[in-house]
Amino acid sequence: EVQLVESGGGLVQPGRSLRLSCAASGFTFDDYAMHWVRQAPGKGLEWVSGISWNSGNIGYADSVKGRFTISRDNAKNSLYLQMNSLRAEDMALYYCAKDSGPFGYGDYGFDYWGQGSLVTVSS
Amino acid sequence: QSVLTQPPSASGTPGQRVTISCYGSGSNIGSFTVNWYQQLPGTAPKLLIYSNNQRPSGVPDRFSGSKSDTSASLAISGLQSEDEADYYCAAWDDSLSGWVFGGGTKLTVL
Repeated sequence: EVQLVESGGGLVQPGRSLRLSCAASGFTFDDYAMHWVRQAPGKGLEWVSGISWNSGNIGYADSVKGRFTISRDNAKNSLYLQMNSLRAEDMALYYCAKDSGPFGYGDYGFDYWGQGSLVTVSS
Repeated sequence: QSVLTQPPSASGTPGQRVTISCYGSGSNIGSFTVNWYQQLPGTAPKLLIYSNNQRPSGVPDRFSGSKSDTSASLAISGLQSEDEADYYCAAWDDSLSGWVFGGGTKLTVL
């Protein structure tokens, strides 16, 4: 059974940093791309970032480019999101999502999702 | 303002058939396949339809998807109360080099 468990969320002041983690199990982690998708309270889904199976292809939404960094450790079956210079508009539930393919783009998509980690940005 | 456009709401009575539309452009739906996600209240999204019209194992055949040019549709037949949820379309966008979602459609079963 595929499981994705996010952690690392919490309350943080504007301008500070936070690192999210996603522990994956139930599938061959290094065969697939992975993503972070967020959902602000009462709002829709927004893709944040994605990383290919070997970290060779990485992408970011314009809203987080230059502030967030995605990474993965295939030996630990883990995905990470380093979030710097956090803003009020970054407050959201952050989902870790598994891609159905290895590259992170094109004719694939997100076939499994975690339960999310809540990030609250407030002074 | 979402790149993919969905109606904010849809409704139907039990047993009815409802459709939800998703409009995009040549750089996303016009060039790549569309996926649909169902988000039940208080839960994480779940893949409902992939590659325009394919159902993952376990998804009832009451759910179907289609795509034409730069638009896609999700159809739900034999509507049930447990179908009440938010539905999102998504596709890769080559111009943005990123994944784009529709704004979501809240389905109410009357």
